[in-house]
Amino acid sequence: SQQGEEDPQALSIQEGENATMNCSYKTSINNLQWYRQNSGRGLVHLILIRSNEREKHSGRLRVTLDTSKKSSSLLITASRAADTASYFCATAGAGSYQLTFGKGTKLSVIP
Amino acid sequence: EAGVAQSPRYKIIEKRQSVAFWCNPISGHATLYWYQQILGQGPKLLIQFQNNGVVDDSQLPKDRFSAERLKGVDSTLKIQPAKLEDSAVYLCASSHPIGEAFFGQGTRLTVV
Repeated sequence: SQQGEEDPQALSIQEGENATMNCSYKTSINNLQWYRQNSGRGLVHLILIRSNEREKHSGRLRVTLDTSKKSSSLLITASRAADTASYFCATAGAGSYQLTFGKGTKLSVIP
Repeated sequence: EAGVAQSPRYKIIEKRQSVAFWCNPISGHATLYWYQQILGQGPKLLIQFQNNGVVDDSQLPKDRFSAERLKGVDSTLKIQPAKLEDSAVYLCASSHPIGEAFFGQGTRLTVV
């Protein structure tokens, strides 16, 4: 079963705007990861946040984690057309070490 | 460092035929995953290996799917016999335990 659920399912924004995607999960985790997938390509790891961390940054990416609400968000600032892709959250379960993906958010950045 | 290698990239077979996919993970990665990704959906974990032992295969349809990881390195995933609903991209990934996963380009399977 897929544990993570991303929201929204699809998002369309203008270039230069910020994009925010949310992920909710159900069980305890060791860490939560975000991936990007361009159409027809493999998944690329973006960022990993551990269960004892609350926020992490990487370039234009900002990830937050709220374990009390079992949710995470990915913020992409100053979006570019090249950011157009599907974004997935994946949870590494506490104790099980499974890496389970959500259904993804399809982001379209319009030039 | 070399990435995760998968072959073939594409495969078309008729239903009830058999097919095998191969994966060579990143050197030193103990954890290997096989995922099935149906168009428009997220990757679904089929099986996870830790070295050459199975950690989780709860979502592997064991009546038709099998996988092995010989000597804790390369892995093969087999489908026999294939059904139309098996049409998907099969993704292999590897990682250090609980770490970030590195994905191959996947094998796109079409069952006709």
